[in-house]
Amino acid sequence: EDKVVQSPLSLVVHEGDTVTLNCSYEVTNFRSLLWYKQEKKAPTFLFMLTSSGIEKKSGRLSSILDKKELFSILNITATQTGDSAIYLCAVSGSARQLTFGSGTQLTVLP
Amino acid sequence: DTEVTQTPKHLVMGMTNKKSLKCEQHMGHRAMYWYKQKAKKPPELMFVYSYEKLSINESVPSRFSPECPNSSLLNLHLHALQPEDSALYLCASSQDLHTTRANTGELFFGEGSRLTVL
Repeated sequence: EDKVVQSPLSLVVHEGDTVTLNCSYEVTNFRSLLWYKQEKKAPTFLFMLTSSGIEKKSGRLSSILDKKELFSILNITATQTGDSAIYLCAVSGSARQLTFGSGTQLTVLP
Repeated sequence: DTEVTQTPKHLVMGMTNKKSLKCEQHMGHRAMYWYKQKAKKPPELMFVYSYEKLSINESVPSRFSPECPNSSLLNLHLHALQPEDSALYLCASSQDLHTTRANTGELFFGEGSRLTVL
């Protein structure tokens, strides 16, 4: 059975801080790892990672995958209150659908 | 057009009501999904349709009945629900279920239908 574990479960920081969110996985026939941000409604897509060691960046967010150690990290620099959300990690494998982790609840205080 | 649209956005229903949630996508995706999400929990898979046929049913109670009238539409019929069924119901689509080089499994989510059962 595919498994995705995220840590920490929740995190409270102040504006301007840098945060690192972790995602480790066990999956049969890994295809991709995806990061989503969820505020009050549907998850919105952030990154899709398929290859080890290649950093994906979008503004203050970046992510990298390590297929040998079976984990990914999501970094957010210079956090803002608008970054407060649940960050979901999901993995696609031979199970034919995404397996989601439990998410990291990030709260950024002004 | 990279949208998955869901209606209604909010629904309040009694335990004896019959209602339906609707989902539509025009990205040519051949796989469509229903997820249920409770507060502060990740989405839980309910059903998967592939090429308009039910491919996966994650042991969902029969008071939830999915329907895929065509490749762009996915419905979820609700009957005799319980208060614990109150949740955000998310529809999603992806290019395909089958493992191909081009398909890495990215899901596109709709905004969700927030259901309250009284």
